[in-house]
Amino acid sequence: EDQVTQSPEALRLQEGESSSLNCSYTVSGLRGLFWYRQDPGKGPEFLFTLYSAGEEKEKERLKATLTKKESFLHITAPKPEDSATYLCAALGDKIIFGKGTRLHILP
Amino acid sequence: GAVVSQHPSRVICKSGTSVKIECRSLDFQATTMFWYRQFPKQSLMLMATSNEGSKATYEQGVEKDKFLINHASLTLSTLTVTSAHPEDSSFYICSASDSHNSPLHFGNGTRLTVT
Repeated sequence: EDQVTQSPEALRLQEGESSSLNCSYTVSGLRGLFWYRQDPGKGPEFLFTLYSAGEEKEKERLKATLTKKESFLHITAPKPEDSATYLCAALGDKIIFGKGTRLHILP
Repeated sequence: GAVVSQHPSRVICKSGTSVKIECRSLDFQATTMFWYRQFPKQSLMLMATSNEGSKATYEQGVEKDKFLINHASLTLSTLTVTSAHPEDSSFYICSASDSHNSPLHFGNGTRLTVT
């Protein structure tokens, strides 16, 4: 059965403390891996698409990477405004979302 | 970028009434739209997949007679919660993509409160 698992569930970091969020997937015939940011009371905001192992995408303090089994969202020197829930989703026959990582950056 | 507009953002209704939520793709045509429900601090739960001009496909456990979905055009899908009850109170989010391998783009959600 296709599955997407994100870890950790929640993460608290000091401002400037870099870290990585993990998204492990078991999807046959992966057609794309997506990362989203969701703020409370809002819909998810699209961040990145990764299509093949070895691919990397960057945007400001965020960098997403992809292997054949997992994806990482690296956050470098985060700021309080990076606090949000980060969702990953894998597209095979259909799109499957992970449960998200709630990231809290302390000033 | 692809923009999805969802209205209303908040609605409060009395038990037994019906509520309609609209989802529009503003700058692209969406042959498929998706409706999700989200509980506090939980992930997205897919309710149904809506295809333009045909009947929606509902996920297991979702009552199709309660959650009516219409996808009348390539840019508009509606979700009607019929005879709403307090347990239907939730955050409903629509999404759409412009092709099969493209990411989904989400509306900003509708907070439904049934009193």
